[in-house]
Amino acid sequence: AQKITQTQPGMFVQEKEAVTLDCTYDTSDQSYGLFWYKQPSSGEMIFLIYQGSYDEQNATEGRYSLNFQKARKSANLVISASQLGDSAMYFCAMRESPLMKTSYDKVIFGPGTSLSVIP
Amino acid sequence: NAGVTQTPKFRVLKTGQSMTLLCAQDMNHEYMYWYRQDPGMGLRLIHYSVGEGTTAKGEVPDGYNVSRLKKQNFLLGLESAAPSQTSVYFCASSRRDNLNEKLFFGSGTQLSVL
Repeated sequence: AQKITQTQPGMFVQEKEAVTLDCTYDTSDQSYGLFWYKQPSSGEMIFLIYQGSYDEQNATEGRYSLNFQKARKSANLVISASQLGDSAMYFCAMRESPLMKTSYDKVIFGPGTSLSVIP
Repeated sequence: NAGVTQTPKFRVLKTGQSMTLLCAQDMNHEYMYWYRQDPGMGLRLIHYSVGEGTTAKGEVPDGYNVSRLKKQNFLLGLESAAPSQTSVYFCASSRRDNLNEKLFFGSGTQLSVL
């Protein structure tokens, strides 16, 4: 079953505008973590932001912020003041931490959203 | 700072051949992961490790084996390659940190199976 859902396969945003990339997740774990990664056309994976499930404040890193709504199981990425260099694939990911220690922590990814910034 | 190093960067195999991908990290991380990336499917977890000598299956483990004999190295093996294993393979490592966790990725291996 898909545990990370990114419903927007492709998004467009005007340069200097803000954009929100959606991510919903499914877990029954009490402790988990949420990540966002950027993958430009060069192929490298670039870490953007992390939010722990117990952290009540939304994480922020420069122009990136994570809109964490725990009850809705939502972890949307907000990019403010978009730049041409923001054009890339964006992946939401989750670290699952099973309460029952019959399995280990692992990190799984969503299918990604392609963002294009228009000049 | 080497970070996470994957070798090789490119490889072409014939169906049925075997090969091993090597991932090395110099950050003393406990966790290491192997993912494959196919168009439209994001990164799918193949196998992962939570420490030296401990490995576990991910989302798509069939056709792959792994070993972690040393903490810094995580090997991914294909015993009998199939065209369906044509993909980009990424290795990543991390330490467990509830407050500020981060996966460090290698640059990827492009594998083609003919």
